[in-house]
Amino acid sequence: KAGVTQTPRYLIKTRGQQVTLSCSPISGHRSVSWYQQTPGQGLQFLFEYFSETQRNKGNFPGRFSGRQFSNSRSEMNVSTLELGDSALYLCASSPDGDIQYFGAGTRLSVL
Amino acid sequence: SQQGEEDPQALSIQEGENATMNCSYKTSINNLQWYRQNSGRGLVHLILIRSNEREKHSGRLRVTLDTSKKSSSLLITASRAADTASYFCAYETGANNLFFGTGTRLTVIP
Repeated sequence: KAGVTQTPRYLIKTRGQQVTLSCSPISGHRSVSWYQQTPGQGLQFLFEYFSETQRNKGNFPGRFSGRQFSNSRSEMNVSTLELGDSALYLCASSPDGDIQYFGAGTRLSVL
Repeated sequence: SQQGEEDPQALSIQEGENATMNCSYKTSINNLQWYRQNSGRGLVHLILIRSNEREKHSGRLRVTLDTSKKSSSLLITASRAADTASYFCAYETGANNLFFGTGTRLTVIP
């Protein structure tokens, strides 16, 4: 089985722009979660989607949003980028929300 | 914050020695998991222990869980240079949320 695929791997944006990150889960996995990893805050949960519905949400501002498609692929969008949004964004899929299978991540740099 | 705390933050040992990392959390949990991350890449699941279990083994890994103290430990025996990585605990609460610890950076010197 192919693993979790995240695109793009690297991204450079400027403040005020918006960005969309993509995640293709492992085939058959219906749960997709997104995490933000920074040196200062560590790994923080953004949100989880299950069967196209947001099932859980972390403590992030509304600028961070996501969605899941019928094929379980997920996208995450960040609008009005801030310098502090620079981070490694990790996507993880799971068959049931339990054990998470992570992608390699998208490294976003905001200049 | 519901982020778990891990100690030590960093650990450096010689190949062949054992490595122990500890994780503390603040709430009731369904399970606790340990993950490994190499150089800012994705995390790899190592082991899961449920709240009604006290100890679990997987190869060279041994995990303990003490729910009364809200703590867990990960022991890696007979460490190898390839074990060099960051290790994170993650606990799942009743809401299916997964909260990660602050991580322990392990360096195994050949």
